Amino acid sequence: GAGVSQSPSNKVTEKGKDVELRCDPISGHTALYWYRQSLGQGLEFLIYFQGNSAPDKSGLPSDRFSAERTGGSVSTLTIQRTQQEDSAVYLCASSPSSTNYGYTFGSGTRLTVV
Amino acid sequence: DQQVKQNSPSLSVQEGRISILNCDYTNSMFDYFLWYKKYPAEGPTFLISISSIKDKNEDGRFTVFLNKSAKHLSLHIVPSQPGDSAVYFCAASITGNQFYFGTGTSLTVIP
Repeated sequence: GAGVSQSPSNKVTEKGKDVELRCDPISGHTALYWYRQSLGQGLEFLIYFQGNSAPDKSGLPSDRFSAERTGGSVSTLTIQRTQQEDSAVYLCASSPSSTNYGYTFGSGTRLTVV
Repeated sequence: DQQVKQNSPSLSVQEGRISILNCDYTNSMFDYFLWYKKYPAEGPTFLISISSIKDKNEDGRFTVFLNKSAKHLSLHIVPSQPGDSAVYFCAASITGNQFYFGTGTSLTVIP
């Protein structure tokens, strides 16, 4: 497709379980970002990938969160031992380069931890 | 602590009139700013940007104004159209990579 694709669109999980969220960026976009939006909060930066460089993980809230980007394309955000405060919409965005800040966002994955 | 603030959660404007959406920030190091528009069940879409070397950037019906001394950003939409009804987010950055977003303002344009 032409846009950023995220899956699943909705995920309900039990507290303590692990979850994986997937992002397919626009083909050719070298920069990929993960954000999350909790209820009533602004978008919170999580992690940033640029080409083959080491990712900027400075926004990850705890060591339960990790992300990888395989082959410079698809990215997976993993949350281990989920907690209720992890409930949020997780948004992925991509851009053609690190200096093009007109991102294209996916529709997000709504994660609910019960 | 919220570094980017949109203090008006909602705004209603008559079709054809001007919509003014405001954004305040606390970090004087921010030098790139963007506005995003978000429809329900969709991701945000990029609208317009401005860097600190400018105080105004215009794109069709959309104009962004930057007042660095006041740490204030605004988006003007004129004339407003019903299709402009959406949530508008402002975002600020130092590096151009990691952006800090406001909580959004829901704009309703009344036909």
